[in-house]
Amino acid sequence: QLQLQESGPGLVKPSETLSLTCTVSGGSISSSGYYWGWIRQPPGKGLEWIGIIYYSGNTYYNPSLKSRLTISVDTSKNQFSLKVTSVTAADTAVYYCARVKRATSFFFDSWGQGTLVTVSS
Amino acid sequence: SYELTQPPSVSVSPGQTARITCSGDALPKKYGYWYQQKSGQAPVLAIYEDSKRPSGIPERFSGSSSGTMATLTISGAQVEDEADYYCYSTDSSGIPVFGGGTKLTVL
Repeated sequence: QLQLQESGPGLVKPSETLSLTCTVSGGSISSSGYYWGWIRQPPGKGLEWIGIIYYSGNTYYNPSLKSRLTISVDTSKNQFSLKVTSVTAADTAVYYCARVKRATSFFFDSWGQGTLVTVSS
Repeated sequence: SYELTQPPSVSVSPGQTARITCSGDALPKKYGYWYQQKSGQAPVLAIYEDSKRPSGIPERFSGSSSGTMATLTISGAQVEDEADYYCYSTDSSGIPVFGGGTKLTVL
């Protein structure tokens, strides 16, 4: 059974870089037809799509965050990662990684449990 | 930017039918999806491609779409269905978008 697990620091200082990794188990990150994505949810608020990556390295970013984002993939470790630069309190959120299917459009069919990242000095 | 609009809250008694709507201009050409998020948990895909139900989702959950509106219907809602429900779709360029979420209360 596919499992996704987020990992990384739970506290990041303002203006620094947030870095998270998602480890995939029970399936290969190189599986044809599947992409991998990040979504976040500020405390008490709704879901926001961050970005998507294919195992080949092709990426799709939320235009509102694109200038601060880097998503990468390491197929040898079955992991993909997220970096957000110049963080502020507005980046405080639960960050989820997810498997993404692409039919006529992308959708997220399996999610990690999420990890809370707080931006504070 | 593209928006999907949901009612903030819906309330039903156990056994009643709950309907949650989602409106968006691109829905006539783009599939609608629904996610269930129980308190403190990650979202779970409840409906995909307007009306398909993933394995493990109870039959009382169904989806439909007509024009600019997608609808999630829970027939005979149970107390355990109490959760936040998010619709999801993409804009005309394929950019993913989530609705603002609807809190379903069953009591």
